[in-house]
Amino acid sequence: NAGVTQTPKFRILKIGQSMTLQCAQDMNHNYMYWYRQDPGMGLKLIYYSVGAGITDKGEVPNGYNVSRSTTEDFPLRLELAAPSQTSVYFCASRPGPYNEQFFGPGTRLTVL
Amino acid sequence: RKEVEQDPGPFNVPEGATVAFNCTYSNSASQSFFWYRQDCRKEPKLLMSVYSSGNEDGRFTAQLNRASQYISLLIRDSKLSDSATYLCVVNRDDKIIFGKGTRLHILP
Repeated sequence: NAGVTQTPKFRILKIGQSMTLQCAQDMNHNYMYWYRQDPGMGLKLIYYSVGAGITDKGEVPNGYNVSRSTTEDFPLRLELAAPSQTSVYFCASRPGPYNEQFFGPGTRLTVL
Repeated sequence: RKEVEQDPGPFNVPEGATVAFNCTYSNSASQSFFWYRQDCRKEPKLLMSVYSSGNEDGRFTAQLNRASQYISLLIRDSKLSDSATYLCVVNRDDKIIFGKGTRLHILP
């Protein structure tokens, strides 16, 4: 199993550009999550999904969108990138609500 | 009051020493508990699950105290490679709540 994979590993965007961060898992997990982590800070939940076709906002959803058309994939879309979105983005998954999460290696995004 | 609280540290501990962290949670309906480890600029990785009966994995021991609403992590015979941030994680229904983490520096 590859576990949770994320692409790209690094990206530099200009202000106003858009991009999609990809996340995939091959563990057949129902629950998937997107977090951002700013330097020296804790994880902040952006969006999450409890199954294909179901998504919900976390604590910092503004400026982002998600979709979950399959169990495996949970892409995060940034529209109109801003410097405040410079961060490390982690995707995670877990089988159910009481289980541990498994994290991807992260995408380091810089918006200039 | 935050739902999950940890002492941010840093804890500076000599190699070979024993160190303990606590994490408190405010919601008594919380259902499952974990410790994660995060190295600088890396993803969090599961260290161990935490049960009321206590559980041990090598040099690491975790304990849950539901009455006082805290979980603990004990590291014995600390190694330089234990230097990291340790995250306390609490599950309640569909919510998963991370503490801000405790930084540990093991000194040679």
